[in-house]
Amino acid sequence: SAVISQKPSRDICQRGTSLTIQCQVDSQVTMMFWYRQQPGQSLTLIATANQGSEATYESGFVIDKFPISRPNLTFSTLTVSNMSPEDSSIYLCSVALAPDTQYFGPGTRLTVL
Amino acid sequence: QKEVEQNSGPLSVPEGAIASLNCTYSDRGSQSFFWYRQYSGKSPELIMSIYSNGDKEDGRFTAQLNKASQYVSLLIRDSQPSDSATYLCAVPLTGGGADGLTFGKGTHLIIQP
Repeated sequence: SAVISQKPSRDICQRGTSLTIQCQVDSQVTMMFWYRQQPGQSLTLIATANQGSEATYESGFVIDKFPISRPNLTFSTLTVSNMSPEDSSIYLCSVALAPDTQYFGPGTRLTVL
Repeated sequence: QKEVEQNSGPLSVPEGAIASLNCTYSDRGSQSFFWYRQYSGKSPELIMSIYSNGDKEDGRFTAQLNKASQYVSLLIRDSQPSDSATYLCAVPLTGGGADGLTFGKGTHLIIQP
């Protein structure tokens, strides 16, 4: 497995502001993923982040709302832009250490007022 | 759009008994299947992966796959109160490999002492 950290672990933000979430892994990985888990719900994939290329977004998620950076093989950021209360969720990054083995970071709990 | 279906529960099982968790999936072409455990307030933890028809055992956990019926299950033997959690079934969104996952809604398991 790998050690995956996320910052911040939680935050309370005002409507209309933006928050950048960081994900750091202790080994080099090709594929990193960002998920959202809304209250009481399961996980939904936001996008796949590969180093050196644009992130690939899933249906219902757009780059203007959730810009992603992937500057190297151990780090990625997800920004939640122009936030509304509907963005209140847990945001999780995950990494694929080998084909078909995906591990999750501890998550960032976001509350938007 | 791949779909993964799970009974949300709660599923209540007495301590020491076998807990049986079930999952069906929509895409007959799916090749790999994953079970994650998620404790309240924590991120998902990978328990089992299975790729071939039949059973795969790891300690007290057994994953069962039936591709003809598009059905995958997780058995937990000698259930312990510490097994109380939400269990998420997941399949890769596209062809497998290092791919984002689509999750079921999860089954909430309660082990009664």
